[in-house]
Amino acid sequence: NAGVTQTPKFQVLKTGQSMTLQCAQDMNHNSMYWYRQDPGMGLRLIYYSASEGTTDKGEVPDGYNVSRLKKQNFLLGLESAAPSQTSVYFCASSYSGRGAYEQYFGPGTRLTVT
Amino acid sequence: AQSVTQLDSQVPVFEEAPVELRCNYSSSVSVYLFWYVQYPNQGLQLLLKYLSGSTLVKGINGFEAEFNKSQTSFHLRKPSVHISDTAEYFCAVSLGSGGSNYKLTFGKGTLLTVNP
Repeated sequence: NAGVTQTPKFQVLKTGQSMTLQCAQDMNHNSMYWYRQDPGMGLRLIYYSASEGTTDKGEVPDGYNVSRLKKQNFLLGLESAAPSQTSVYFCASSYSGRGAYEQYFGPGTRLTVT
Repeated sequence: AQSVTQLDSQVPVFEEAPVELRCNYSSSVSVYLFWYVQYPNQGLQLLLKYLSGSTLVKGINGFEAEFNKSQTSFHLRKPSVHISDTAEYFCAVSLGSGGSNYKLTFGKGTLLTVNP
């Protein structure tokens, strides 16, 4: 049981380049999330998906897009990378519905935009 | 909308000393509360959670937290810390009923440094 996996672990981009961060979970969770973590800012929600085929904006969605074509995968795209997107990106997943379910986190992707 | 305030950004302590990491939340409806830990260069893992019932919640690694509704607080405590507890700790809240109750709002984190 791998839990939540993310690829790549590290990435360096030049300003204006595009890329996709990949996230996969093998726990059959309904909900998946993308966060960014910056020093002193905690974790901020970029996008989330309550179920396969649905996505919604979080707190900081500008400059990103997402795709949830399969239940186990949640992709985060950067269309035209900017230095302000230098951050550590975490994917998470959880059950959803009535009640509170903990979120399970991946190991993170450290992205640097030069 | 709910919010979370972690009152200390850094807490240095000596090994075997007790520690309290403070968390206050703001919400107009009932909430669920969580504490997560992040060790260096790793993702987050759940320490403990409060859903309902007893206000004293016990978690992994000897940590516990107390939910205080009147003070809207959920402080994390450990009676005796170890070097290995050095990590960043995040308090988080989600709505207690209905709506998007699966989304979490995180505090900005408290870096606990345990010195020998």
